[in-house]
Amino acid sequence: EVQLVETGGGLVQPGRSLKLSCVASGFTFNNYWMSWTRQAPGKGLEWVASITNSGGSTYYPDSVKGRFTISRDNAQNTLYLQMNSLRSEDTATYYCTRDYYDGYPLIGVMDAWGQGASVTVSS
Amino acid sequence: DIQMTQSPASLSASLGETVSIECLASEDIYSNLAWYQQKPGKSPQLLIYYASSLQDGVPSRFSGSESGTQYSLEINSLQPEDEGDYFCQQSYKFPLTFGSGTKLEIK
Repeated sequence: EVQLVETGGGLVQPGRSLKLSCVASGFTFNNYWMSWTRQAPGKGLEWVASITNSGGSTYYPDSVKGRFTISRDNAQNTLYLQMNSLRSEDTATYYCTRDYYDGYPLIGVMDAWGQGASVTVSS
Repeated sequence: DIQMTQSPASLSASLGETVSIECLASEDIYSNLAWYQQKPGKSPQLLIYYASSLQDGVPSRFSGSESGTQYSLEINSLQPEDEGDYFCQQSYKFPLTFGSGTKLEIK
């Protein structure tokens, strides 16, 4: 069974940092691109970051570029999101997601989601 | 960035009815369109990818179609468990973008 379990969420002051982790199980982690997507309370979905299966390339929207860093440890089957210079508008549930792969990747198609980690940025 | 305009924002329908949700892409995304369902208090789940391919385990009453830059999700024979939020998303190019969502209520 595919499982993605996020940890590391919490309450943080504006301008501070937080690091989320996502432990993956039930599939061959190093075959898959991975992503983070967030959802502000009562709002829609916003893609936050993606990383290739090897970790060699990363992608971000302008809203987080330069502040957030996605990384992975394939030996530990773990995905990370380092969030710096946090703002109130970063308050959201952060989902770890797996990109579709069936012999070839369908980049950006999120076929598995974690339960989410809640991040609140407030003084 | 590619804008995804989703409609309607909310929808109320009865058991057994058929409903349709639309997404209009601001440019050609060459069928790189996915649909997700999010039940209350749960994480989103992939329903359809590449505009019309049904994800494993998703009931066949869900279907996707396209016409130019307009994409549609149709749900036939509505069931109580279909209540929730539905989002479209383009995966043609970064930044990945989502529609604003449709809240489906089952009467």
